[in-house]
Amino acid sequence: QVQLQESGPGLVKPSGTLSLTCAVSDGSISNTNCWSWVRQTPGKGLEWIGEICQSGSTNYNPSLKSRITISADKSTNHFSLRLDSVTAADTAVYHCARGGGDGAYYDWGQGTLVTVSS
Amino acid sequence: EIVLTQSPGTLSLSPGEGATLSCRASQSISSTYLAWYQQKPGQAPRLLIYGTSNRATGIPDRFSGSGCGTDFTLTISRLEPEDFAVFYCQQHDSSPRTFGQGTKVEIK
Repeated sequence: QVQLQESGPGLVKPSGTLSLTCAVSDGSISNTNCWSWVRQTPGKGLEWIGEICQSGSTNYNPSLKSRITISADKSTNHFSLRLDSVTAADTAVYHCARGGGDGAYYDWGQGTLVTVSS
Repeated sequence: EIVLTQSPGTLSLSPGEGATLSCRASQSISSTYLAWYQQKPGQAPRLLIYGTSNRATGIPDRFSGSGCGTDFTLTISRLEPEDFAVFYCQQHDSSPRTFGQGTKVEIK
C-alpha cells in the first residue's frame, strides 16, 4: 500500500496562491498511472481537482482549469498542486490520491485543511 | 459533466441488518469506471469497490457492488459496527471525474 502525505500552509489570503505537496512513500510516482488532487467541503462534497499521469500529462477539472497547475518531481517522489487567485470558496480539505489504471483511487492521503481568509 | 445522485441521503440501521445504497448517473457509464468509497469522520475515503463489482484489497465479502448503465448499487449484507460511515460513488468514465454527494449509514 502506497502512503501519501499532504503538506503546505493551512491559511492562505484571498487572491493569493495555494500550494500543496504530496509526499509518496512505499511506492514510486514513476511506476503508477496517475496522481490526483481531490478536495472536500461540507457543502460541495468531494470534488476532483486534477491529475498528473506517469507520462507527464495533466488533466484538470474544467471548473478550475484556468487556476491550476499540477506538477511532479520524480527525484523526490513528490507531486504538487498550485491553485491561483483563491477565494473563500477554495476553503476545503485537500487530499492527494493514487489512481489506478481503471481510474479508481486506491490510496489517499489523510487530507490537509486549507482556509482562505484574510 | 456526469452527475451522480445517491440515495437515500441517510440510512438508519442496526448492526446485523443489510443496507442497499443507490447511485444513479445522469448518463450511461461503463461498468469499468464506477467505484465506491467509505469515509469515516476525520479519515480519508477508502476504496471499497472498483469496476462496479470488484472488491478492493482487504475489503470483506459482506460488501458487494452491482449495476450497469445509469444505475448502480452498493450492498452491505450484514452491518458490522465498524461499517457505519458515509459512502460515496465515483465515476471515471469521463472527465471531469465526479463523486456522488454521499449516503450516510448511521446506527439506529
